[in-house]
Amino acid sequence: QKEVEQDPGPLSVPEGAIVSLNCTYSNSAFQYFMWYRQYSRKGPELLMYTYSSGNKEDGRFTAQVDKSSKYISLFIRDSQPSDSATYLCAMSGWGGGADGLTFGKGTHLIIQP
Amino acid sequence: NAGVTQTPKFQVLKTGQSMTLQCAQDMNHNSMYWYRQDPGMGLRLIYYSASEGTTDKGEVPNGYNVSRLNKREFSLRLESAAPSQTSVYFCASRPLQLLSGNTIYFGEGSWLTVV
Repeated sequence: QKEVEQDPGPLSVPEGAIVSLNCTYSNSAFQYFMWYRQYSRKGPELLMYTYSSGNKEDGRFTAQVDKSSKYISLFIRDSQPSDSATYLCAMSGWGGGADGLTFGKGTHLIIQP
Repeated sequence: NAGVTQTPKFQVLKTGQSMTLQCAQDMNHNSMYWYRQDPGMGLRLIYYSASEGTTDKGEVPNGYNVSRLNKREFSLRLESAAPSQTSVYFCASRPLQLLSGNTIYFGEGSWLTVV
């Protein structure tokens, strides 16, 4: 069983829709949870990070963590064509670990104009 | 602020040739990483360096070597390139945990084709 599972998509939705992207994980030691956005032929860029359980909002984006279910989500409201990208979830334990983060494989999102 | 800078951006190699991918960060970060990204495989860690003077193997180190030249620079060397090393390579860095929530910052990538 992979440590982090993420549906690869592609997920195609019309402009203006609410998008829900999700990851599940198996390691209960994970404490930090991140979402990265990667445009085609670019490096991943940090979108949001949260610590432990709960919600965090930043503009049209909301990150949600449910540690009891080992499930994290990223919601995008009023989706725009410019949101079309691959979204990667990532996580780590409290100590971080010198070897960095555990990544999901990414979900390819397409926002149709 | 340049962040993490990688060179070259594109490279074509013949099987058996060697080359070095260069990476530098100007954020005074302690840890640095090299990942490769392949379709359907996601990001896989090749090597990392927790601090200047130390390096460790990641998930897929075979066929690669690294050098942490100083705090800013972390290079990745392919001694004898193979077609299986055709990939996109990302360098990344991370500051101290308490400053960042363990987040990692990536470079723009290096596209390598081995023919």
